Amino acid sequence: GAVVSQHPSRVICKSGTSVKIECRSLDFQATTMFWYRQFPKQSLMLMATSNEGSKATYEQGVEKDKFLINHASLTLSTLTVTSAHPEDSSFYICSARAPPYGYTFGSGTRLTVV
Amino acid sequence: AQTVTQSQPEMSVQEAETVTLSCTYDTSESDYYLFWYKQPPSRQMILVIRQEAYKQQNATENRFSVNFQKAAKSFSLKISDSQLGDAAMYFCAYTGANSKLTFGKGITLSVRP
Repeated sequence: GAVVSQHPSRVICKSGTSVKIECRSLDFQATTMFWYRQFPKQSLMLMATSNEGSKATYEQGVEKDKFLINHASLTLSTLTVTSAHPEDSSFYICSARAPPYGYTFGSGTRLTVV
Repeated sequence: AQTVTQSQPEMSVQEAETVTLSCTYDTSESDYYLFWYKQPPSRQMILVIRQEAYKQQNATENRFSVNFQKAAKSFSLKISDSQLGDAAMYFCAYTGANSKLTFGKGITLSVRP
């Protein structure tokens, strides 16, 4: 089946630094990638939608300059959390459309900003 | 905008018993898909079952089946012969023309041995 590989699985960074999270589709071409944020015991909140070769579309309330999304190829999308602060600590998950299976998810990244 | 509602935050079931998780949704679209996803403690999202709105037949996957009531906009998940490994958070989700997944708040299912 379609697999999305997400790295790193855990990252701890200092406040003010930037962190990059990568999602790669391993056996299919992901023209569209979705990025979610999830707090403990809560649902997934869509942050943005990225399409290969074009600018990402951000959901209302998501800071574009803080959460930079790049989808430069059909197999790689990245989320960079810039100037991270403790309130950015969360679980970030990517997802790609993978017909006919629907949607496939990365394993998630637990970001802790200290 | 589409909404997905899971009103029960938690449920518990005895091992080997059957449990039903409820989900309702609201949409003006006629063509859409509904999903149930499982998120175990590892937090990996796992597809449990998928239902195409145009199909009248309820989807089934082994011990998992849905009761899809299109007119009532209801999409419940039935888990038969519950196993300890079924313990997880379950999310109901909707997607339509914009291809975005809209999730419900989720329900935490515990399985009693």
